[in-house]
Amino acid sequence: SAVISQKPSRDICQRGTSLTIQCQVDSQVTMMFWYRQQPGQSLTLIATANQGSEATYESGFVIDKFPISRPNLTFSTLTVSNMSPEDSSIYLCSVVQFTGELFFGEGSRLTVL
Amino acid sequence: QKEVEQDPGPLSVPEGAIVSLNCTYSNSAFQYFMWYRQYSRKGPELLMYTYSSGNKEDGRFTAQVDKSSKYISLFIRDSQPSDSATYLCAMSPSEDMRFGAGTRLTVKP
Repeated sequence: SAVISQKPSRDICQRGTSLTIQCQVDSQVTMMFWYRQQPGQSLTLIATANQGSEATYESGFVIDKFPISRPNLTFSTLTVSNMSPEDSSIYLCSVVQFTGELFFGEGSRLTVL
Repeated sequence: QKEVEQDPGPLSVPEGAIVSLNCTYSNSAFQYFMWYRQYSRKGPELLMYTYSSGNKEDGRFTAQVDKSSKYISLFIRDSQPSDSATYLCAMSPSEDMRFGAGTRLTVKP
């Protein structure tokens, strides 16, 4: 299975600042996604990271708040912009391998004060 | 109505018990079915991956898909305290995955 590295694993941030989360995969994958998991909740898809073009956002998520980059097949970043306490959550990178299976990184736990 | 329904539990069983976890869904286009295990403060870990209907077994874990009833199950035999985690079902027609709410399982020694 693909090995997914996410950084940072956790961070505590001040309101109004921005944080960029990095996701690196050890092999080429077909698709990369960013999910959010709020405390005690299941997973909510934020967007699909498209290589070399703008990400595809789900309803309720916008590019200005969650800019995403995917410069190549194995790397993507998610930025959480102008953070508020409501953005405190776990952010997860996930990838689809050529076998069709979906794998997750360990997640980045964000706390906004 | 949610596309995927999963009882959040919590579910508590004694060690050695057979555990049955279930999800129902409404979208008949779903073809891919997965079960994930998530330990506290960790990312979800893929346990079972099934395409279309039928059963799949891997060690103590068995996944069942009944597309006619829109119902999937995960069975854990001889449950162990290390199985204590949240189990999420997931399904999709292609790559657009939909997740259940997750069932929190505790296996007591």
